[in-house]
Order: sequence, then structure tokens, then C-alpha cells
Amino acid sequence: ETGVTQTPRHLVMGMTNKKSLKCEQHLGHNAMYWYKQSAKKPLELMFVYSLEERVENNSVPSRFSPECPNSSHLFLHLHTLQPEDSALYLCASSQNERTGMVYGYTFGSGTRLTVV
Amino acid sequence: GENVEQHPSTLSVQEGDSAVIKCTYSDSASNYFPWYKQELGKGPQLIIDIRSNVGEKKDQRIAVTLNKTAKHFSLHITETQPEDSAVYFCAASGGEGFQKLVFGTGTRLLVSP
Repeated sequence: ETGVTQTPRHLVMGMTNKKSLKCEQHLGHNAMYWYKQSAKKPLELMFVYSLEERVENNSVPSRFSPECPNSSHLFLHLHTLQPEDSALYLCASSQNERTGMVYGYTFGSGTRLTVV
Repeated sequence: GENVEQHPSTLSVQEGDSAVIKCTYSDSASNYFPWYKQELGKGPQLIIDIRSNVGEKKDQRIAVTLNKTAKHFSLHITETQPEDSAVYFCAASGGEGFQKLVFGTGTRLLVSP
């Protein structure tokens, strides 16, 4: 396996369900991200983990709960979602240097989530 | 914080023509500008990037130009082919604090045979 792998590719869940999205990166990067992609909207940054520590949470509702057990794995736990949460959820990873040097992100293929 | 605007939202060209997508950014401290291509059913893929110490970068049929004074950068695709049809995103990063990318709203490029 190479790059960034997301599972599942598709998920349909009811508003009362609890599910989790999984992301795994095989690139040796030290930062991982969750983005939400909705139709006709820019990519929305949800969570950032750098060196397994959550660095940023862009005011995401508490029904989304991230978990980063190590630098290669990232989860997004979902519970009591709303239909408007239906979107493509993208995971990405990058190598962030302490010097501030930025490198491009590598994205996974995403999980298409439908909340019914 | 950084704000990135991207135009046009859709672009239709004939095969063989050139395509240009433009982005502007707000934070003068931004120093890294990548471009991503997203095909149907896939995540965005990095196709080219440029840093603020360079004014232009080229890779085969694609090129990116950066005007730091005006705070805008552009993607140029020459000799377009149908397989270039996709959504293209620009992004900007840099400045103070934790480095993260801020994305534009995307341009849907359609190349007709």
C-alpha cells in the first residue's frame, strides 16, 4: 500500500447511528488532516494533527470527533449526524518542518458519506 | 487569516487550446502555492507547486506563474487534452503560525474533442 488510504469509500448512515472513518498514510509524514468537501463549496478544513497532537479544530460540531493514535492513522468518529453533513470527507497528510517550510498535501480518495 | 479566490468557476475549451486559471490571495506572508487536480471519484492530486522565491515554474504542458506584488498566481495548461478535464484547485500557505493550506473554490475544466 502506498500513499493515503481511506475506508470505507462509501457510507450510508442514519441520524442515530455511530460510525467511524479511517485514514492511513504510508508516506512517513508527520501531519494529518480531515477536510469536508461539499458541492459548490471550498474544501473545509475540519481537523489538523501534527506529531499526533491536535493543532487546529475549525469550530467543527461535536458530533464529529477525531482520533489520531499515531502518525500513520487518523480516525473520524461520527454520531447523531444531520442530513447536511452528507459530503465527501477527505483525509490528507504532509510533512511539516519546524522551520515553517510547507510541502504539498497528499490526499486520499475520500469517503462519500450520506446521512439519511 | 488567509483567503484565496479562484476564477473562473467553469472553463470550457477545445482540445489543443490553452487554459488559464487564476487565483488571488490575501496574506502577503504566504510563500507556498500548490495546484491540485481532482478527477471524478478521486481525491485532489498535486500537479505543480511554486514557492515565493520563484516567479514561474513549468512542467511539460503545465506552468504556474506568481506575482507577489499583486498577490495572484495562475495555472496555465497548453495543448489541452480531454484527459485534462477535471476540477482544479489552487491553494496558499505560509505566514505566521502553523502552516496549513487554504484552498480556492475550484475550477471545473472541460476539454472537448
